Amino acid sequence: GESVGLHLPTLSVQEGDNSIINCAYSNSASDYFIWYKQESGKGPQFIIDIRSNMDKRQGQRVTVLLNKTVKHLSLQIAATQPGDSAVYFCAESKYGNKLVFGAGTILRVKS
Amino acid sequence: DAGVTQSPTHLIKTRGQQVTLRCSPKSGHDTVSWYQQALGQGPQFIFQYYEEEERQRGNFPDRFSGHQFPNYSSELNVNALLLGDSALYLCASSWGGDQNTEAFFGQGTRLTVV
Repeated sequence: GESVGLHLPTLSVQEGDNSIINCAYSNSASDYFIWYKQESGKGPQFIIDIRSNMDKRQGQRVTVLLNKTVKHLSLQIAATQPGDSAVYFCAESKYGNKLVFGAGTILRVKS
Repeated sequence: DAGVTQSPTHLIKTRGQQVTLRCSPKSGHDTVSWYQQALGQGPQFIFQYYEEEERQRGNFPDRFSGHQFPNYSSELNVNALLLGDSALYLCASSWGGDQNTEAFFGQGTRLTVV
């Protein structure tokens, strides 16, 4: 069945460093991928998305890379700040269907 | 713009009872999806409503039902509550039904079944 998984359950980085969070997906038919940030006690917050016809998309301090050959998605956060500490989820979707989420990666930023 | 709002924020119910959770979508959005998030896990899709009809459904029993109103707001009903139904219930709104557009989530309703 469909699944989206993450390689690292916890990532600790020093403030100011760049962070890279990885995700593997299994459904090659998925055409839409999203990264969400979830802080304690809150709902997931949209960070950035990418469609399957792209391999890179940049936002403010964030970049998402999509490698369809190996079904891999990554989120890069530049100059990581303490406020970036949260759980990060990748999710995939096909033709407007349900979002399939992975288990999440905890990002801890050390000051 | 108030974004996606859910009520109540917290709820405690007894096993066997029924519960109704409510969601108001972000202004301009016409599609509402519901997710269940167990502690330490990613959200799991329950169902999606568009044009007042259930368009898609995840792997959840019939005890889980929903409704969408003409103003696009939505309710999630769970009957015969089980201890395992304890979770954070998230509502997400988007636009366009069958199109992939950015989905915004509410803050969730924390349901505890005792």
